[in-house]
Amino acid sequence: NAGVTQTPKFQVLKTGQSMTLQCAQDMNHNSMYWYRQDPGMGLRLIYYSASEGTTDKGEVPNGYNVSRLNKREFSLRLESAAPSQTSVYFCASSEVLVTDTQYFGPGTRLTVL
Amino acid sequence: QKEVEQNSGPLSVPEGAIASLNCTYSDRGSQSFFWYRQYSGKSPELIMSIYSNGDKEDGRFTAQLNKASQYVSLLIRDSQPSDSATYLCAVPHSGGYQKVTFGTGTKLQVIP
Repeated sequence: NAGVTQTPKFQVLKTGQSMTLQCAQDMNHNSMYWYRQDPGMGLRLIYYSASEGTTDKGEVPNGYNVSRLNKREFSLRLESAAPSQTSVYFCASSEVLVTDTQYFGPGTRLTVL
Repeated sequence: QKEVEQNSGPLSVPEGAIASLNCTYSDRGSQSFFWYRQYSGKSPELIMSIYSNGDKEDGRFTAQLNKASQYVSLLIRDSQPSDSATYLCAVPHSGGYQKVTFGTGTKLQVIP
């Protein structure tokens, strides 16, 4: 039982490049989330998916897109990376939306030069 | 006013002492509250959840909730060096906007 897995663990991009962060969970959870964590800012929600087939914007969605591929997988895409997107990205999942414990993946450290 | 506020610390306590971490929130309708622990370079993991006013104990950890005063606290008894981490308070919104707001965290240092 791996819980929540994320790939890659580290990534360096140049400004303007694109990439997709992958996330998968094996806990049969309905809800999945993407956060970014910056020093002094705490965890900020980028996008979330309440259930398979639905996605919604969080508080900082600009510059990102997501896909809920199936119940297990939720990917985050940066279409044209900017230095402001340098951050640590966490994927999380929960049984139900919001009012339930969230289980976090190990994170992706992204640097945009 | 921030939606969820925590003292960033660091809070330094000697080994064996009680560490007291506090969190205040602005959404009066919030019904559930979570404490996560995050070691440096790692992801957050749940320590405690609390839904009702009063205290909830789990081993060395006690969560305290006071909805009237809009604060939630986490007490760690017999603090150990392994408790050194950042503790995040998380509060789901009560309205239609499905979101959990995380505080910026309090860094705890337990001195051997």
